[in-house]
Amino acid sequence: DVKVTQSSRYLVKRTGEKVFLECVQDMDHENMFWYRQDPGLGLRLIYFSYDVKMKEKGDIPEGYSVSREKKERFSLILESASTNQTSMYLCASSPWRATNEKLFFGSGTQLSVL
Amino acid sequence: EDKVVQSPLSLVVHEGDTVTLNCSYEVTNFRSLLWYKQEKKAPTFLFMLTSSGIEKKSGRLSSILDKKELFSILNITATQTGDSAIYLCATPGAGSYQLTFGKGTKLSVIP
Repeated sequence: DVKVTQSSRYLVKRTGEKVFLECVQDMDHENMFWYRQDPGLGLRLIYFSYDVKMKEKGDIPEGYSVSREKKERFSLILESASTNQTSMYLCASSPWRATNEKLFFGSGTQLSVL
Repeated sequence: EDKVVQSPLSLVVHEGDTVTLNCSYEVTNFRSLLWYKQEKKAPTFLFMLTSSGIEKKSGRLSSILDKKELFSILNITATQTGDSAIYLCATPGAGSYQLTFGKGTKLSVIP
């Protein structure tokens, strides 16, 4: 069965901390995505990657960076966490670029920045 | 700019009711429209629609696309409390890898 695993379900951090959110997929997918989900705003794309060491900005990349050193792992980094980054973060993956529509999602990380 | 608009944003129904969820879109070079169900955390895939007028069905759920009027509907018949979820509609942008999502419809089914 396909699996996208996010390392933490709940995370509480302080303003100014560096935060790492990890995502691992076991499906050998080329594409990986980071979304955040906020009430009333839906899912918004932060960054995506279509290959190892490749990354592209999504709609709201400010305040975030990403790392993809291995195909199965895509990390989201908050360099200096702020309260407005409190949100649900969802990682997703999909196979090769031509069939990227069907995303497989992880269970999400609820991040609270105090 | 690609746009996906879902309505209503929330809905409360009784078990056994039939519901219709709406999704309208504006996107350059339309390829497909997708529906997802999000119960607790991870959205799960329901349907992908590419052709007008062809209904996709899975149990009590069905969906259809109208490419002329640029919308899709998701129908759920004989609703159950297990149908309570956020239903998301999404479409890939022109020549891009990412999906543009609507804000979702939160469906609550009460006994």
